[in-house]
Amino acid sequence: DAKTTQPNSMESNEEEPVHLPCNHSTISGTDYIHWYRQLPSQGPEYVIHGLTSNVNNRMASLAIAEDRKSSTLILHRATLRDAAVYYCIEANNDMRFGAGTRLTVKP
Amino acid sequence: GAGVSQSPRYKVAKRGQDVALRCDPISGHVSLFWYQQALGQGPEFLTYFQNEAQLDKSGLPSDRFFAERPEGSVSTLKIQRTQQEDSAVYLCASSLGPRIYEQYFGPGTRLTVT
Repeated sequence: DAKTTQPNSMESNEEEPVHLPCNHSTISGTDYIHWYRQLPSQGPEYVIHGLTSNVNNRMASLAIAEDRKSSTLILHRATLRDAAVYYCIEANNDMRFGAGTRLTVKP
Repeated sequence: GAGVSQSPRYKVAKRGQDVALRCDPISGHVSLFWYQQALGQGPEFLTYFQNEAQLDKSGLPSDRFFAERPEGSVSTLKIQRTQQEDSAVYLCASSLGPRIYEQYFGPGTRLTVT
């Protein structure tokens, strides 16, 4: 079973920032936080991962709380192509997907 | 470069038939994973290979499900005597390293059992 909690759905306007929250209150010290997203009719796609420090890449930023019990995926300027289901995963020996957050981007 | 490919993309089977789903991972990727995704849900882990060794098959729902990766590259997921509850998208993923490395997913095979 997934060990993370995410809202079922969120909406954003195009070209505005989006903050996708995730709770992982039972996380242990060696668990990584991974984010994947799944566009319609495609397989999931890696977005970003981190352990303790905030992380940035070309797709997004990951802000990890100091106690590591929560994290936020930040899309700096949402585009229509960012509409997808976003999965937050607590990864140690394996990765278990939950139901994710369905992000809708409005033009 | 070539990504993960899966075939067939769509499969319709009558209840009771056997099916075989193929996955071609990215060349050189050590790890290979199979997932099952029901409509509206996240992917559910089925099984994991490191090279040709099947290290984890804890997610296989019944003994009708069988996976193999005999030469450490291409993998086949076989479902015997298909049931309607087997209808789902079957996703394959590969990664360069051990199981928590970045995974690259194929487009999936949509199986419909009638």
